[in-house]
Amino acid sequence: DVVMTQSPLSLPVTLGQPASISCRSSQSLVYSDGNTYLSWFQQRPGQSPRRLIYKVSNRDSGVPDRFSGSGSDTDFTLKISRVEAEDVGVYYCMQGTHWWTFGQGTKVEIK
Amino acid sequence: EVQLVESGGGLVKPGGSLRLSCAASGFTFTNAWMRWVRQSPGKGLEWVGRIKSETDGGTTDYAAPVKGRFTISRDDSKNTLFLQMNSLKTEDTAVYYCTTDHEGGPGFWGQGTLVSVSS
Repeated sequence: DVVMTQSPLSLPVTLGQPASISCRSSQSLVYSDGNTYLSWFQQRPGQSPRRLIYKVSNRDSGVPDRFSGSGSDTDFTLKISRVEAEDVGVYYCMQGTHWWTFGQGTKVEIK
Repeated sequence: EVQLVESGGGLVKPGGSLRLSCAASGFTFTNAWMRWVRQSPGKGLEWVGRIKSETDGGTTDYAAPVKGRFTISRDDSKNTLFLQMNSLKTEDTAVYYCTTDHEGGPGFWGQGTLVSVSS
C-alpha cells in the first residue's frame, strides 16, 4: 500500500498569517494516464470531510482561493495564504493513483 | 445540490451483520462510480470499497481488511448505494461515509453513519 505521510501533525497558526502542510507519498503518484491523483480535504469539528483540492492543484467549486495545492511525484503541499477562523479543523491528503490511501491528518488550530 | 444520506448504522455484536444504505440526489447517479470510506479513531480514514457504474460494468473492488465479508451493491432505479457487512469485527467500528468517485478521489461525502461492533 502507498503510505501518505503528513507534517506537521499539529499546526498552531495566527489569524491572517499563512500556513503550509506537507504530504509525502511512499511512491510516485503519477498515473499511467499522466495525471497525478493527489487530493486535499478539510474536516471541521463535527463535520464530514470536504474536498478542497484535486489532482494536486485544482480547487473544488466553492473553495476560497486562499487555499492552493502544489507539488509533484511524491512531494506535495497545501497552502493557506491567510488563515481565517473558519479554517480550524483537520486537513488530510489522499492519493487516488494506487487505490485510495489517506494521510494521518494535520490539526490546524488558532494560536 | 449533491446530497448523500447514509442510514442503517448501529450497535452490533461481533460476528453480526448490518446493511448500510446511501440515498443519492442532485447528480446522475446512474453514471457515477461510488465508494464507501470509513473513519475510526485508531485507523483514520480508510477506503472500504468501490462500485463502478453499470455502463462501466458495475464491478466491485474491496480493501483487503473487508474483502470476503463486505459487499457493495446499487439500485439505480432508486438512486441508492448499499453496503452489506457480514462477520463484523470490533475493528470495523467506524463512521461509514458514502462518497462519489470523481477525479481520483471522493468529490462529495455524506454525513456518515456510525457502526459500533461490541459485545
